[in-house]
Amino acid sequence: QKEVEQNSGPLSVPEGAIASLNCTYSDRGSQSFFWYRQYSGKSPELIMSIYSNGDKEDGRFTAQLNKASQYVSLLIRDSQPSDSATYLCAGYSGSARQLTFGSGTQLTVLP
Amino acid sequence: GAGVSQSPSNKVTEKGKDVELRCDPISGHTALYWYRQRLGQGLEFLIYFQGNSAPDKSGLPSDRFSAERTGESVSTLTIQRTQQEDSAVYLCASSLRDSGADTQYFGPGTRLTVL
Repeated sequence: QKEVEQNSGPLSVPEGAIASLNCTYSDRGSQSFFWYRQYSGKSPELIMSIYSNGDKEDGRFTAQLNKASQYVSLLIRDSQPSDSATYLCAGYSGSARQLTFGSGTQLTVLP
Repeated sequence: GAGVSQSPSNKVTEKGKDVELRCDPISGHTALYWYRQRLGQGLEFLIYFQGNSAPDKSGLPSDRFSAERTGESVSTLTIQRTQQEDSAVYLCASSLRDSGADTQYFGPGTRLTVL
């Protein structure tokens, strides 16, 4: 049973547009959530973490968490071609003490 | 070291052989994680260590897989009698503690190809 679900995409947006990436999770015990970016052939790198309901902004990135609806999203404003990558959503369960990853959404920003 | 390191970066082996993959975590990180990523897929959790103890081995795919860790240092993932379905990138990550608030930093991975 997959606990973290993402649209696999691919998602294409033009340069300068807002890219919206969504993720849902099934484990209500999940306490914290992470968005990782993974370039082709590279290892994942952390973009954002979010622990509380609401929005969290960091530069061009905004993470949103809604625990009642069990979804997490990542907005990328003013998308750049360098943002083209696979974005992985992950939820941390304190009971399991592990990160559960979604399968990732492939984003392409078209110049 | 500055980051998580893994070796070898690539490993090609024949079906039935045993392989050992190594991970050196960031110095001072007590938690260490192993993941598997098949081509075009997300990360599949295998096992984690808090210190040299592995509280959760439920993610290991079969009894051909085992892992150990020396203190709060190097970890090795061993796959015995490799099968073609074991072909994947094996990623190691470490974090300061095994807490949901601590970021996991990933190594570059070991690409395993079983012929």
